[in-house]
Amino acid sequence: TQLLEQSPQFLSIQEGENLTVYCNSSSVFSSLQWYRQEPGEGPVLLVTVVTGGEVKKLKRLTFQFGDARKDSSLHITAAQPGDTGLYLCAGGADSWGKLQFGAGTQVVVTP
Amino acid sequence: EAGVVQSPRYKIIEKKQPVAFWCNPISGHNTLYWYLQNLGQGPELLIRYENEEAVDDSQLPKDRFSAERLKGVDSTLKIQPAELGDSAVYLCASSSDPNTGELFFGEGSRLTVL
Repeated sequence: TQLLEQSPQFLSIQEGENLTVYCNSSSVFSSLQWYRQEPGEGPVLLVTVVTGGEVKKLKRLTFQFGDARKDSSLHITAAQPGDTGLYLCAGGADSWGKLQFGAGTQVVVTP
Repeated sequence: EAGVVQSPRYKIIEKKQPVAFWCNPISGHNTLYWYLQNLGQGPELLIRYENEEAVDDSQLPKDRFSAERLKGVDSTLKIQPAELGDSAVYLCASSSDPNTGELFFGEGSRLTVL
């Protein structure tokens, strides 16, 4: 059972455009992670957010954790083909051992 | 530093046959995870080890799935007998610091059951 809902499921954009993907839950998470997974590979951690309202920037990627720690968003500015991948959010309710993953948002950036 | 190594990368078997997957975590990582990932879905935890102890196997279908990590290093996940619905990617991950929660994943083992 996936407790984290990600939207949209699929997003196709042109190089240079901006995009935002969302991760929502009815549960409160003590912390939340975003991973990117490319075809044939395992997920790779992008960021961890732990404080409600927290905003983190990683080059062209901006991550936000909701004030109530129930939701998060990932915004990509001026997307590039290298940003193509499956973006997964994962929440830790009480410990990292209980990490729950969302179903992911498949992002395709075309040149 | 070598990452998490999994084998085989691909396996095709007929239903009711057994299959085994192997994982070697990053050196020094005490925590090891096995996840199942269906097409278009996120990873779902099957089992988590702290050293050689299985501390969370609540999601492991124990009638046909088994896992071991005898010496607290590498691990094997077995399915016997395999069913059509077991077709998926089996991901292994390891972690060194439970406080940061960063998981390092292997490339996965893709199983196809015919």
